[in-house]
Amino acid sequence: DAMVIQNPRYQVTQFGKPVTLSCSQTLNHNVMYWYQQKSSQAPKLLFHYYDKDFNNEADTPDNFQSRRPNTSFCFLDIRSPGLGDAAMYLCATSRDPTGGWSQETQYFGPGTRLLVL
Amino acid sequence: AQSVSQHNHHVILSEAASLELGCNYSYGGTVNLFWYVQYPGQHLQLLLKYFSGDPLVKGIKGFEAEFIKSKFSFNLRKPSVQWSDTAEYFCAVEGSGGGADGLTFGKGTHLIIQP
Repeated sequence: DAMVIQNPRYQVTQFGKPVTLSCSQTLNHNVMYWYQQKSSQAPKLLFHYYDKDFNNEADTPDNFQSRRPNTSFCFLDIRSPGLGDAAMYLCATSRDPTGGWSQETQYFGPGTRLLVL
Repeated sequence: AQSVSQHNHHVILSEAASLELGCNYSYGGTVNLFWYVQYPGQHLQLLLKYFSGDPLVKGIKGFEAEFIKSKFSFNLRKPSVQWSDTAEYFCAVEGSGGGADGLTFGKGTHLIIQP
């Protein structure tokens, strides 16, 4: 089935050691999002790619970066993870017609739970 | 800035009881509205959405929600809950003005259905 895939499901890293989380999709959606969800909190948007255009949220720390080498893949890089970055990281996709006003549902992956030791 | 408020953080009901989860939003424009559900150990799944048209929308598993523009509300309802409805429920909003925006989520409501 077409879907949003995140690997790994669990990632353990050390304080300050760079880590990369990956997301892939078979939906051929042009928009991909990364959300951070801390325990008992709502998911919070970090940034998104509209095709190749990167859109950062104003309050996303510089420690968080993203890459989208092609339509199917998107990566979240945490340059120097701190204890406060331990969270579930959710990838989502949606299809937005170029120049159009219609918007479509976001489809979420299962998430990667990041632990920082 | 847009925001979403969910009134109840924890709700406990017995099977067959009726459910209503409150959601209010703040946004300076037209919006798209969503309810997502997260079952234990699973990913976020769309329950229902409102983009335009009939303000009463029906979703999966017998859920429905009503958009009341004057009250900035999008409450979720189900007439008779089941044990399998135990989950976390998130209300979310995005601007509907074109392009792609991320979702702004409420803090979620943890629903527990007792057999």
